[in-house]
Amino acid sequence: DAKTTQPPSMDCAEGRAANLPCNHSTISGNEYVYWYRQIHSQGPQYIIHGLKNNETNEMASLIITEDRKSSTLILPHATLRDTAVYYCIVRVSDNTDKLIFGTGTRLQVFP
Amino acid sequence: DAGITQSPRHKVTETGTPVTLRCHQTENHRYMYWYRQDPGHGLRLIHYSYGVKDTDKGEVSDGYSVSRSKTEDFLLTLESATSSQTSVYFCAISAETGNSPLHFGNGTRLTVT
Repeated sequence: DAKTTQPPSMDCAEGRAANLPCNHSTISGNEYVYWYRQIHSQGPQYIIHGLKNNETNEMASLIITEDRKSSTLILPHATLRDTAVYYCIVRVSDNTDKLIFGTGTRLQVFP
Repeated sequence: DAGITQSPRHKVTETGTPVTLRCHQTENHRYMYWYRQDPGHGLRLIHYSYGVKDTDKGEVSDGYSVSRSKTEDFLLTLESATSSQTSVYFCAISAETGNSPLHFGNGTRLTVT
């Protein structure tokens, strides 16, 4: 299973872009990169996912390097409500298709 | 939010008693998962299901069993609860493999005394 490496914590000023990095150097060609976040003790919330191309939705943008060994989640205008733990996950490409979570990045957005 | 309901939301039970947690979905998704979350360990997969009566073990399955008799319900049973099973349990669903996100329920907080 491809592993991911994320910094344990990051800070970001409110209104600024938050750029959260993730390394997944052992990713296989058909494995997707997923991003989730968890606010306090709520269930993980899906943010975005991608395979090779950069992706954007109403919540965030996902930038995947050409060699797919790393990616960056971008929250374009962080708010206090974006304070959470962010998980970068490589989705296992077998018939189980399960998500294996790491320890994530704790993002603190400050006023 | 995806149509996922976990019940109960909170439960306190004594060591040695059986406990069943229920996950109910209204999305008709094929895949269902049970995770537990503990401080210092993040989310860990207990069991998952890829169809009615089709289940398999995850990374921390000891002491747990599951059943899926119909698409919408996935039950997690602790045959004889232990204090080490005190945790927050999350159910998740997914429509298909690879290019389809998992969506999580709001969790069940279980305390075993």
